Amino acid sequence: QKEVEQNSGPLSVPEGAIASLNCTYSDRVSQSFFWYRQYSGKSPELIMSIYSNGDKEDGRFTAQLNKASQYVSLLIRDSQPSDSATYLCAVNGAGANNLFFGTGTRLTVIP
Amino acid sequence: DAGVIQSPRHEVTEMGQEVTLRCKPISGHDYLFWYRQTMMRGLELLIYFNNNVPIDDSGMPEDRFSAKMPNASFSTLKIQPSEPRDSAVYFCASSFTSSDRGFRETQYFGPGTRLLVL
Repeated sequence: QKEVEQNSGPLSVPEGAIASLNCTYSDRVSQSFFWYRQYSGKSPELIMSIYSNGDKEDGRFTAQLNKASQYVSLLIRDSQPSDSATYLCAVNGAGANNLFFGTGTRLTVIP
Repeated sequence: DAGVIQSPRHEVTEMGQEVTLRCKPISGHDYLFWYRQTMMRGLELLIYFNNNVPIDDSGMPEDRFSAKMPNASFSTLKIQPSEPRDSAVYFCASSFTSSDRGFRETQYFGPGTRLLVL
């Protein structure tokens, strides 16, 4: 079983601040990493994917991957109240199309 | 595209009854996944199919759970008999694996079925 761990939070940040969400995984052969956002009562939706070490930026979102440390993070710049949601880290392994999810970090952006 | 379609959206049943959850994946997708989400355990993969064939059902909690995919556009997850501990939100997701991108395709989730077993 591949384990994916996240701080459950809740994480509260003021509007306009940077929110930092962290995730560690146990399987060294994992190759693909995803961040999903889930609003209360809704289904998860993909916001970022990353496959190589380093940073990947998409608008206000930056995903960071360090395979040596088995660590992936998501930074949200200029946080908005609409970013308030649970963020799920997901990992899959080599040659596998199934994902293993962390339990999620609940983020609240305070206006 | 309508996205992944699940039915029913809500189900309330009594312990011991049979429950059938339905899913229609996005047209053209070759992978279909069933997940269960609870506050305590988060999002758990139950089973997934590739081209209608079950690939990994190690997440199915016990023999009371069964899943089928008779064709590319329909899958069912059945619980018989249901128990109160089965109460959760059940999600279906689908994805498409292209030959050049390998296993990097996005999984698209349906709206979920909220199941309550009394």
